[in-house]
Amino acid sequence: DAGVTQSPTHLIKTRGQQVTLRCSPKSGHDTVSWYQQALGQGPQFIFQYYEEEERQRGNFPDRFSGHQFPNYSSELNVNALLLGDSALYLCASSLVGAHEKLFFGSGTQLSVL
Amino acid sequence: TQLLEQSPQFLSIQEGENLTVYCNSSSVFSSLQWYRQEPGEGPVLLVTVVTGGEVKKLKRLTFQFGDARKDSSLHITAAQPGDTGLYLCAGAYSNTGKLIFGQGTTLQVKP
Repeated sequence: DAGVTQSPTHLIKTRGQQVTLRCSPKSGHDTVSWYQQALGQGPQFIFQYYEEEERQRGNFPDRFSGHQFPNYSSELNVNALLLGDSALYLCASSLVGAHEKLFFGSGTQLSVL
Repeated sequence: TQLLEQSPQFLSIQEGENLTVYCNSSSVFSSLQWYRQEPGEGPVLLVTVVTGGEVKKLKRLTFQFGDARKDSSLHITAAQPGDTGLYLCAGAYSNTGKLIFGQGTTLQVKP
């Protein structure tokens, strides 16, 4: 049973560029959440997708957008990258109604130069 | 602003010692979770506490949820080098799908 998988594992971009990160949830899960974890900090909630719609959103600018596909996989898009966007981006999946039982992927380490 | 504060932020101890990590907030949570994260990996759920005053044990780890459901503690007995990692607490609200994480406690256990 595959867990949460994320791609790519590492990514280097320059300021102003755009990036797309991908996530496949754990088998049987229908809800995907994205978190940003800066170095030395705890993860911060970006948004959550269920039934292909954004259901909850954290305090992140509109440069951060996402999408969920019919197979429950998800993408996180970040436009106009800033140096401060450098972080580990974590995807977590869960079942609707069991949002408190999250399974995290290993993350995508994004470096913005 | 919703905030979970963890203390201490860093802890370096010798194998066999005991330690306690604290997680405090001014908010009431429907549940509180503890995660352990190793470098290059995502957080792994250790335990979820739901009821005020609840105590859960996981081998040498003891988790407690405060009576008012605003705070929690993690106690490790006879720490082992394998316990080394980042420990995160996270609060959940029953009507939302997001977790509020503390900043984490980095634990190093020296052999």
